[in-house]
Amino acid sequence: KNEVEQSPQNLTAQEGEFITINCSYSVGISALHWLQQHPGGGIVSLFMLSSGKKKHGRLIATINIQEKHSSLHITASHPRDSAVYICAALYIQGAQKLVFGQGTRLTINP
Amino acid sequence: DTEVTQTPKHLVMGMTNKKSLKCEQHMGHRAMYWYKQKAKKPPELMFVYSYEKLSINESVPSRFSPECPNSSLLNLHLHALQPEDSALYLCASSKYNTDTQYFGPGTRLTVL
Repeated sequence: KNEVEQSPQNLTAQEGEFITINCSYSVGISALHWLQQHPGGGIVSLFMLSSGKKKHGRLIATINIQEKHSSLHITASHPRDSAVYICAALYIQGAQKLVFGQGTRLTINP
Repeated sequence: DTEVTQTPKHLVMGMTNKKSLKCEQHMGHRAMYWYKQKAKKPPELMFVYSYEKLSINESVPSRFSPECPNSSLLNLHLHALQPEDSALYLCASSKYNTDTQYFGPGTRLTVL
């Protein structure tokens, strides 16, 4: 069964802390997406990964194909990073559609 | 232009009304998507259009009717909705159906 599991579900940290959100998935994905959703709506696509590591500003995403695991890291976290972070896998088998994790609600306190 | 726009931002409708949601992108993307999102849940896929043809319908009730009049525009026609259909409706597009999806800001729908 194509599933995506995220942890933790909720995370509260102090400004400046290093944040890690984890995502695990079943075999056979063609890509793994990390998305950000602020309260009130719109979703922003942060990264699409099929191997290795990507960095954008203070955000880093890694994927380990052998372990079927991906992580999203935030360095020097800031209150504006408070949002829900969702990982989503694009599986090779079956219809080409994203399978979403349940999301991680991140709160960064000043 | 890397934007997906959606109108209206908010919509309140009665159970007997007919209304439409609109989504537009000018990135030349050939795949477009409708998602439904309930509070504190991830998005649920409803429909996928690929090259203006419906390629995925996730067993959505017929009171939701999608339409793709051209490669830039995607509509979702609503008729005889139920209060449980109240949700955030998100549109997304991607160059092909295996690429990064760009999401619109959503339409927050309330059915009374």
